[in-house]
Amino acid sequence: AQKITQTQPGMFVQEKEAVTLDCTYDTSDPSYGLFWYKQPSSGEMIFLIYQGSYDQQNATEGRYSLNFQKARKSANLVISASQLGDSAMYFCAMRENNQGGKLIFGQGTELSVKP
Amino acid sequence: GAGVSQSPSNKVTEKGKDVELRCDPISGHTALYWYRQSLGQGLEFLIYFQGNSAPDKSGLPSDRFSAERTGGSVSTLTIQRTQQEDSAVYLCASSEGQVNNQPQHFGDGTRLSIL
Repeated sequence: AQKITQTQPGMFVQEKEAVTLDCTYDTSDPSYGLFWYKQPSSGEMIFLIYQGSYDQQNATEGRYSLNFQKARKSANLVISASQLGDSAMYFCAMRENNQGGKLIFGQGTELSVKP
Repeated sequence: GAGVSQSPSNKVTEKGKDVELRCDPISGHTALYWYRQSLGQGLEFLIYFQGNSAPDKSGLPSDRFSAERTGGSVSTLTIQRTQQEDSAVYLCASSEGQVNNQPQHFGDGTRLSIL
């Protein structure tokens, strides 16, 4: 079974609009962390936002927020006021406490922002 | 400050040759990770090092792959008798520790092409 599932291979959004990128996960470990990374066409992986399994509030970092629904095992990334520079691949990843430090990545969502 | 540094940035070699990929983590980061990203795919965990603990080698795809980390800093990933399916971008990351909320910071990767 897939540990991290990103069901949207590609998404389009109009500049200045908000967009939600979906991520669902599967784990039996009660302690885990969820991460979102951005990968522009240049290839570097840029850390965006983190949500811990015990965090009571949804994480926010500037225009990025994480819609964390623990019971549904979903951790969707919301980007507000999209900019042309947001066009990139976005990866959801999970770290399980009982599996050490490694990250398990989803297959990614390619976001294109239209002017 | 300096980020994670990887070398070479590109490597082209013939099938059957051995290759060495180098990673210099962020200073002070005790955890170091290697991942592989095939074209259009998410990242696949290979191996990680945490301090002086035995490395987690659970992601290495075959015994042709090995890695070492000397002095708790620089790491070398070695692929022996390369095969065409080894062609991928090899990404190194480091973090302050393996605590859940510590993000992994990635280098720019080595693009390996096996002819």
